Amino acid sequence: GDSVTQMEGPVTLSEEAFLTINCTYTATGYPSLFWYVQYPGEGLQLLLKATKADDKGSNKGFEATYRKETTSFHLEKGSVQVSDSAVYFCALSDRRTGRRALTFGSGTRLQVQP
Amino acid sequence: DTGVSQNPRHKITKRGQNVTFRCDPISEHNRLYWYRQTLGQGPEFLTYFQNEAQLEKSRLLSDRFSAERPKGSFSTLEIQRTEQGDSAMYLCASSLSERGIGTDTQYFGPGTRLTVL
Repeated sequence: GDSVTQMEGPVTLSEEAFLTINCTYTATGYPSLFWYVQYPGEGLQLLLKATKADDKGSNKGFEATYRKETTSFHLEKGSVQVSDSAVYFCALSDRRTGRRALTFGSGTRLQVQP
Repeated sequence: DTGVSQNPRHKITKRGQNVTFRCDPISEHNRLYWYRQTLGQGPEFLTYFQNEAQLEKSRLLSDRFSAERPKGSFSTLEIQRTEQGDSAMYLCASSLSERGIGTDTQYFGPGTRLTVL
C-alpha cells in the first residue's frame, strides 16, 4: 500500500539557517504530493503541493520538488524564522487507485531558536 | 470565506459512553473527510463522503464508529461505547471536486480532541 516516510525530529535550527526536511514515498500509481504544517494549537494547513513529476511547489519561502526517480518530495527553506516553528507533515494522494484519502507521514517537528 | 469548523473542540467522556462530533465544511465543498490523529503521529484516514454518499471507509472504522452526512452539508461522527484507545484528535477536512482537475486539495478543521477516561 501507499506510505510516506519522513525524517524524525525534532529538528532544531537557529534563525536564518537553511532547512531541509526529507520525505520519501511509496505509491502504486502517480500520486500528488503535499506538505501540510501544524502550528501549536492550530489545525493542519496546506503549505504547498505538486501534482506531477518535476513540479515544484512553493509558498511562504518553502519549496519542494516532486522527484519521481528518487520518490522524494523534500521540503526546503533558505532562511527559517522563529515563526516557522511547527510540525510539518508530508502526504500523498494516489488518485490512480481511486482513493481520495491522504496518506500522511508521522510528522517532523521544527524548532527555530532566535 | 469561512473555513472548516468542528464542534466541540474538546470532549471528555467516560469509557462506555457514546459521543458525537460535528463538522461543517467550507460551504461549496462537495467532499468531506474524517481523520484520526494520535499524539506524535500523522492523521489516519477514517472515511470520506461525496455529497451525502459515503464512498470509502477505512479498516480503522470499527462497528462502533458511524458517520453521516444527511444533506450533503455538515457531517457527524459518532463513537458508541467509547474505549480508552479512542482518545485522539478527530479531524475533518473538505474539498471541492472539479471536472478535469484530478486532485482536489483538502482543507482541515481545527479538530475535536477526545479524551476517554
